[in-house]
Amino acid sequence: DAGVTQSPTHLIKTRGQQVTLRCSPKSGHDTVSWYQQALGQGPQFIFQYYEEEERQRGNFPDRFSGHQFPNYSSELNVNALLLGDSALYLCASSLDRLNTDTQYFGPGTRLTVL
Amino acid sequence: RKEVEQDPGPFNVPEGATVAFNCTYSNSASQSFFWYRQDCRKEPKLLMSVYSSGNEDGRFTAQLNRASQYISLLIRDSKLSDSATYLCVVKFGPNSGYSTLTFGKGTMLLVSP
Repeated sequence: DAGVTQSPTHLIKTRGQQVTLRCSPKSGHDTVSWYQQALGQGPQFIFQYYEEEERQRGNFPDRFSGHQFPNYSSELNVNALLLGDSALYLCASSLDRLNTDTQYFGPGTRLTVL
Repeated sequence: RKEVEQDPGPFNVPEGATVAFNCTYSNSASQSFFWYRQDCRKEPKLLMSVYSSGNEDGRFTAQLNRASQYISLLIRDSKLSDSATYLCVVKFGPNSGYSTLTFGKGTMLLVSP
């Protein structure tokens, strides 16, 4: 039973560039949430996708956008990268119909913006 | 005021010691509470949920005080492998399906031989 997978594991970009991060949820899960974890901080909620729509969003600018595909996988896009976007980006999956609080995290993508 | 606050530590303890972490949260409508563990450069993993009646899992005991908006984690007989960052996590928002989590900054624990 595959857990949550994310790609790439590491990424280096320069200011102003755009980046796309990918996530495949745990087998059988239909809900994907994205989090940003800066160094020394806890993860911060970016947004959540369910049924291919953004269901809830945290306090992040419009430069952060996402998508969910029919197979429940998801992408996180960040435009016009800033130095402050350097962080570990975590994807978490859950199963909506169980109304469960348990989220399973992927290993994350470490993004460095130079 | 931050939504979830924790002492960042680090807490340096010898093997076998008992250590306690505390956490406060600001939203009285919070619904669910958890402790996650995060090893260096790894993803967070659920350690245990926290219930009002208190709950125990082996050497780990979690307590919730809704009136004081306070959560605690007690680790007894610390092991070297307990060294990690412990994240206090609170779920705000509507009940059904909206499982978005708010994390504290985490408390670092270092257990030494």
